[in-house]
Amino acid sequence: GDSVTQMEGPVTLSEEAFLTINCTYTATGYPSLFWYVQYPGEGLQLLLKATKADDKGSNKGFEATYRKETTSFHLEKGSVQVSDSAVYFCALHFRNNAGNMLTFGGGTRLMVKP
Amino acid sequence: NAGVMQNPRHLVRRRGQEARLRCSPMKGHSHVYWYRQLPEEGLKFMVYLQKENIIDESGMPKERFSAEFPKEGPSILRIQQVVRGDSAAYFCASSPRSGQGSGANVLTFGAGSRLTVL
Repeated sequence: GDSVTQMEGPVTLSEEAFLTINCTYTATGYPSLFWYVQYPGEGLQLLLKATKADDKGSNKGFEATYRKETTSFHLEKGSVQVSDSAVYFCALHFRNNAGNMLTFGGGTRLMVKP
Repeated sequence: NAGVMQNPRHLVRRRGQEARLRCSPMKGHSHVYWYRQLPEEGLKFMVYLQKENIIDESGMPKERFSAEFPKEGPSILRIQQVVRGDSAAYFCASSPRSGQGSGANVLTFGAGSRLTVL
């Protein structure tokens, strides 16, 4: 079935460092891809999305490009801040007979130190 | 426009008691999803409901767990005879509809209900 694999954390960076969190997927067809962020003690918030190959999603300085040839959707940010400390989830949307489904990777915890 | 509302935010139960978690979807959303997040783990799909219908419950444990989304009122996730392993954060999400279009496949999440079983 469709699945998402993302790099295990925690990822610890200093402020202003470059961030990459890898995400690869397995899917039939052409799914939409998402990054969600979970700040401590809160629910998930949609960070960005891409709905077709070569689309680039971006928000709050974060970017991810939908690469069909490598089945990847890596999250990047050029200069992280302490406030970016959170857990980041890569997700894949697919449709089955039931309707819309969203499957998540295991999450990657990011810790940014001042 | 209030988002997805979940309550209670925190719930403490003793082993053997029942836990009821409620979720009110965003206004205009008719689809509700429940996910469970065990400590230090990712989100696992549990169940997908429309009004008065369970669409997909492939992620629900076969015993003690049930979910409903009545015609009126919030969706309820019910856990009977809780055990320590049920301690987790339970997240509800909603979406507008099941169909084509970019809006149909974006899920909006609530803040979660954190269940602690003593």
